[in-house]
Amino acid sequence: ETGVTQSPTHLIKTRGQQVTLRCSSQSGHNTVSWYQQALGQGPQFIFQYYREEENGRGNFPPRFSGLQFPNYSSELNVNALELDDSALYLCASSLDRDNSPLHFGNGTRLTVT
Amino acid sequence: GNSVTQMEGPVTLSEEAFLTINCTYTATGYPSLFWYVQYPGEGLQLLLKATKADDKGSNKGFEATYRKETTSFHLEKGSVQVSDSAVYFCASTTSGTYKYIFGTGTRLKVLA
Repeated sequence: ETGVTQSPTHLIKTRGQQVTLRCSSQSGHNTVSWYQQALGQGPQFIFQYYREEENGRGNFPPRFSGLQFPNYSSELNVNALELDDSALYLCASSLDRDNSPLHFGNGTRLTVT
Repeated sequence: GNSVTQMEGPVTLSEEAFLTINCTYTATGYPSLFWYVQYPGEGLQLLLKATKADDKGSNKGFEATYRKETTSFHLEKGSVQVSDSAVYFCASTTSGTYKYIFGTGTRLKVLA
C-alpha cells in the first residue's frame, strides 16, 4: 500500500508571502489531518478534513486554510506568513475521522525569513 | 482542556538497559492513548495504542498499560537497542473531538 506523501520536503518563504503544501493520503483513507510541529515540540492540531469538508479545527487563525479533493489528497494554505509559522508541517491520513490511528507523512519543513 | 504530559529528555541509556518513559494525561471522557515514534528526518509512526482502561498495547518489544486510576500510559521496554534511538511522543484522542493531543516528546539515545 502507498503511504502518506507530502511535497515539497523543504520550503523557504519570506514574511507576508503565501504558501501551499500538498499531501497524498494513504490508499483507502478518507480523512486527512494537518499538524504543525515547532522545533522541540509535539505536533499541534491545525484541522481535519473528512469527505472534502473541514471537520474540526485547532487554535489556528483563519489565514490557515485547507482543501480536500475527491481522491482524498489535501492542501494546506497559509496566507500572510509570519516568522512564527516556521515549523515542520505534518499531514496524517486515517481510515475514519474519529478514534482512528493517524498515518503520518514525513512532513514539509517551512522556514519563514 | 485535555492535555498530555511526558517526561523531559533526553534519556541516554546503554544498549540492553531497561527503558521507562512516563506519560500522564488529563481528559474529559475516556480517551484512547497512543505512543508514536519519530526517527530523524521522518514523520511520526504509530508504535502502540490502548483504547480503554487496563488495556495493554505492545509492539516491537515496547509496551504500555492504560491506567485510569493514575491517568498514566508509561512506555517500557526491557532491553533497548541502538536502533531504538528516536523521539517518542505520547498522545491522546477523545471520541468526537477529531484531534490528537501530543506531549512534547522524549528523545531517547541508546549507546552501544
